[in-house]
Amino acid sequence: GAVVSQHPSWVICKSGTSVKIECRSLDFQATTMFWYRQFPKQSLMLMATSNEGSKATYEQGVEKDKFLINHASLTLSTLTVTSAHPEDSSFYICSVGQTNTEAFFGQGTRLTVV
Amino acid sequence: RKEVEQDPGPFNVPEGATVAFNCTYSNSASQSFFWYRQDCRKEPKLLMSVYSSGNEDGRFTAQLNRASQYISLLIRDSKLSDSATYLCVVYSGGGADGLTFGKGTHLIIQP
Repeated sequence: GAVVSQHPSWVICKSGTSVKIECRSLDFQATTMFWYRQFPKQSLMLMATSNEGSKATYEQGVEKDKFLINHASLTLSTLTVTSAHPEDSSFYICSVGQTNTEAFFGQGTRLTVV
Repeated sequence: RKEVEQDPGPFNVPEGATVAFNCTYSNSASQSFFWYRQDCRKEPKLLMSVYSSGNEDGRFTAQLNRASQYISLLIRDSKLSDSATYLCVVYSGGGADGLTFGKGTHLIIQP
């Protein structure tokens, strides 16, 4: 299966600052990557689909200007949480290879905004 | 509306026991079904796919009932290392839009 590396694994930032999360597909050329968010005791919720060389597709209710996605190469997608607030604290996780077979996830990033 | 429902638990089960949980889904057009395992503060990892005929992988057995729209996971001879959250995942087609995750069932195996 695909190997997906996500960095950082955890981050604490001050309210109002921006945080960038990287998702790398190490052995799979991913034209598409997916970003999820998971609050405690909740299911993974798809935030957006990252498309290599074009704009990301955001799910309803997700602010595209707040969650900036860049997918400049076949192996790297980044999610930037801009002007983070405490309510943005969550577990962010990316995936690749998502079809009707198996999704491969990054290790996840636990974001805490103080 | 696509929904996948699971009993959140926790299920507290003694080591060596057999435990089973179900998951129901609302979209009758769902195509593929999976059980993922998620450890605390970790990413989900595929445990097994679920096929119409049912399938077994070691101590784990998964079954699908399309008529009643539920899938099940049975764990036999449970080990302490089986303690985790088990996510029911349903694929309904359409790429990313098609993957719907349940909230997970928390399993605690007690020595």
